[in-house]
Amino acid sequence: ELQLVESGGGLVQPGGSLRLSCAASGFPFSQFDMSWVRQTPGKGLEWVSGIGGSGLSTFYADSVKGRFRISRDNSKNTLYLQMSSLRADDTAVYYCARGLLALDFWGQGTLATVSS
Amino acid sequence: DIVVTQSPDSLAVSLGERATINCKSSQSVLSDGNYKNHLAWYQQKPGQPPKLLIYWASIRESGVPDRFSGSGSGTDFTLTISSLQAEDVAVYYCQQYYNTRAFGQGTKVEIK
Repeated sequence: ELQLVESGGGLVQPGGSLRLSCAASGFPFSQFDMSWVRQTPGKGLEWVSGIGGSGLSTFYADSVKGRFRISRDNSKNTLYLQMSSLRADDTAVYYCARGLLALDFWGQGTLATVSS
Repeated sequence: DIVVTQSPDSLAVSLGERATINCKSSQSVLSDGNYKNHLAWYQQKPGQPPKLLIYWASIRESGVPDRFSGSGSGTDFTLTISSLQAEDVAVYYCQQYYNTRAFGQGTKVEIK
């Protein structure tokens, strides 16, 4: 059974850091590109970052470039998103999703709240 | 960057009737390389993550009922639900993946 399980969300102060993880199972993780997408009530769905299967190619939305870093550990079937210099407008539910073009499977999401 | 705009923001349709959602991109998402439209449609029900329905503008994802269909090319696209069922109540999003990635603002579909 396909599974993507996000973790690592929580409350952090502005300027702080947070590391999200996404544990994958039920498919050959290393053979698939992966993405992070966030969702807020006000701004809807926003693609944040993507990574190729090998981890060598990474891509970022302009809104997070230089602050967020995507990575993966194929030996652990896990995707990561290191978020730094966090701002209030980074508050969102963060989903990991399989793919880099159309996203064919999504996790349940983890909530990251940036507030003092 | 390509901006994607959906219309309407919401619509109410009677059970068994047709629902039509439009998606317009600010630039063409038709690739010269593979002659495909880089556009997908998703369904999101309350409390759930989005679910892929359609990719390459018109290819139905495995397991998606055939009452869902996608059409269009270039900058103008449509998602059609041919006969609305109660379980189709959801928010629907289009997404372009031609240039970076961008989602439309969503269209809420309800039962009239």
